[in-house]
Amino acid sequence: EAGVVQSPRYKIIEKKQPVAFWCNPISGHNTLYWYRQNLGQGPELLIRYENEEAVDDSQLPKDRFSAERLKGVDSTLKIQPAELGDSAVYLCASSNANGRAQGELFFGEGSRLTVL
Amino acid sequence: GQQVMQIPQYQHVQEGEDFTTYCNSSTTLSNIQWYKQRPGGHPVFLIQLVKSGEVKKQKRLTFQFGEAKKNSSLHITATQTTDVGTYFCAETQYSGAGSYQLTFGKGTKLSVIP
Repeated sequence: EAGVVQSPRYKIIEKKQPVAFWCNPISGHNTLYWYRQNLGQGPELLIRYENEEAVDDSQLPKDRFSAERLKGVDSTLKIQPAELGDSAVYLCASSNANGRAQGELFFGEGSRLTVL
Repeated sequence: GQQVMQIPQYQHVQEGEDFTTYCNSSTTLSNIQWYKQRPGGHPVFLIQLVKSGEVKKQKRLTFQFGEAKKNSSLHITATQTTDVGTYFCAETQYSGAGSYQLTFGKGTKLSVIP
């Protein structure tokens, strides 16, 4: 079974440029998460989806970040415009938590963003 | 959300020595999960603890959940070089309306000296 797939693996952009990350979760997993991980830190939740509904986006900087999960499968995370402080690894994860019980998270390889 | 405190932040051990990392919360947890992240890799789920006082073992790894469900520990017996990585605990808290929030600690980075 394929795991969580993310692309691109690496992205280098100049500040003020836009960037987008794509995630394909494990088939059948209704819950999808976007986390940001800074160097030496733990993952920090940006947004969580139950199917196509964003049920927790309290940590998403909405002035520059946006996310969508059309049709409740793939998801994209966009940053526009990017700032130097956005340099981090953006991790996508999925689970079959069904919105109630918290199950294990399956993480993708991550997208490493460098903003110059 | 409330972040669990993990200690130590770093641990260097000689191969064959034991290793323990601790996770502490000021609030009662619904359950707690542990993940391992190898250098350059992504977090990989190890285990979930749910019951008060629960103890689970995976080969050389022993996981404990405190009686008050406010702390947890991961103990590795006789470390090997393959144990190198960062170990994260992640707390699950009920955030209302049938929804749970998973918040990661800052992790303990383990180095094993051969």
